[in-house]
Amino acid sequence: EPEVTQTPSHQVTQMGQEVILRCVPISNHLYFYWYRQILGQKVEFLVSFYNNEISEKSEIFDDQFSVERPDGSNFTLKIRSTKLEDSAMYFCASRQGKTEAFFGQGTRLTVV
Amino acid sequence: QKEVEQNSGPLSVPEGAIASLNCTYSDRVSQSFFWYRQYSGKSPELIMSIYSNGDKEDGRFTAQLNKASQYVSLLIRDSQPSDSATYLCAENSGNTPLVFGKGTRLSVIA
Repeated sequence: EPEVTQTPSHQVTQMGQEVILRCVPISNHLYFYWYRQILGQKVEFLVSFYNNEISEKSEIFDDQFSVERPDGSNFTLKIRSTKLEDSAMYFCASRQGKTEAFFGQGTRLTVV
Repeated sequence: QKEVEQNSGPLSVPEGAIASLNCTYSDRVSQSFFWYRQYSGKSPELIMSIYSNGDKEDGRFTAQLNKASQYVSLLIRDSQPSDSATYLCAENSGNTPLVFGKGTRLSVIA
């Protein structure tokens, strides 16, 4: 069964460093998303991507964040200068259209 | 600001019982509703989607939607200890991003 895959599963980084989280969405899906979940809190929307551009972003998705789809398969989230409060689980999700969204297994980001 | 409200629980039910999980949403134009299951430290896993008023059944799960009351529920019949998890309610309209509730923690006692 097709699935969304994310790498790495766990990333530890020092404050101020750049991190890139990677995702391979389901191949025939058109809409791609990044969400995050701080420990004990709810799943929060960061950004959506469609037709090679950002279609919507939340207040969380400030200038420190960027997304890219560098080729036909990968979808990346970059955090330029990480802060302690960026520590969270980051989930990638994809949808074919106006249908269900499927989530990857997540990347646990720990900023020290 | 769209809101999805859920009772955080924990909701404890004995094995074999029916677990009833509830969710309300603020946006009257919301069209699509989803229930995800999330085990601790894992990603949300889709259980059910529902788009029109009424009931939708899939195995031991039944989703119920009442758009007039802006209310969605999930019933789990014959609850099993493996059903113990946090259940997330989510909604959207068209291609807008999912908005999640905080989730209800379900504990099924053997």
